[in-house]
Amino acid sequence: GAGVSQSPSNKVTEKGKDVELRCDPISGHTALYWYRQSLGQGLEFLIYFQGNSAPDKSGLPSDRFSAERTGGSVSTLTIQRTQQEDSAVYLCASSLLSRSGDTQYFGPGTRLTVL
Amino acid sequence: AQRVTQPEKLLSVFKGAPVELKCNYSYSGSPELFWYVQYSRQRLQLLLRHISRESIKGFTADLNKGETSFHLKKPFAQEEDSAMYYCALRTSSYKLIFGSGTRLLVRP
Repeated sequence: GAGVSQSPSNKVTEKGKDVELRCDPISGHTALYWYRQSLGQGLEFLIYFQGNSAPDKSGLPSDRFSAERTGGSVSTLTIQRTQQEDSAVYLCASSLLSRSGDTQYFGPGTRLTVL
Repeated sequence: AQRVTQPEKLLSVFKGAPVELKCNYSYSGSPELFWYVQYSRQRLQLLLRHISRESIKGFTADLNKGETSFHLKKPFAQEEDSAMYYCALRTSSYKLIFGSGTRLLVRP
């Protein structure tokens, strides 16, 4: 089946503008994660959704960042009033949580450039 | 503190040479460790999980709780192994904590 998909693949925006990044997880995966990959910080966890539970937002760097997951499937990461330090590759992953373990499958990422 | 350390940014070896990519972790609970690989222009993908105790593409990794290490090894490196390798720790809250990555370059 299809893997995790993300759109757009590239996004260039001006400082101060809002952006929305989309993630389509693997069908049937109950857990969805957002990570950020940047030169200075490596791979950082941002937020995690599991079923109908409250999301774990502990990795969001500021209140300009938010995410939602509609219908337990597609997720949107929104960055308001973008800053240059938001430039990074934003990765989405999904998994099928089970007692035997959890493997996260990653999407191709969205490369965000803030001018 | 929860932390994953990969001390080498770049590891360069010749084809056929043994490879060891180092990974150390800090975690107070029972760790679940992974190695992910990212080939050029490809997405991040799982290489190994310590739970599975398997060998993938000739790579193995053993969890050493005493030394808090999960080093990745391969006896004979191939050119196609050249990639970025990330060690990751899964916490009780399911998120992954990644090391900074090691770029492996296998020269012909």
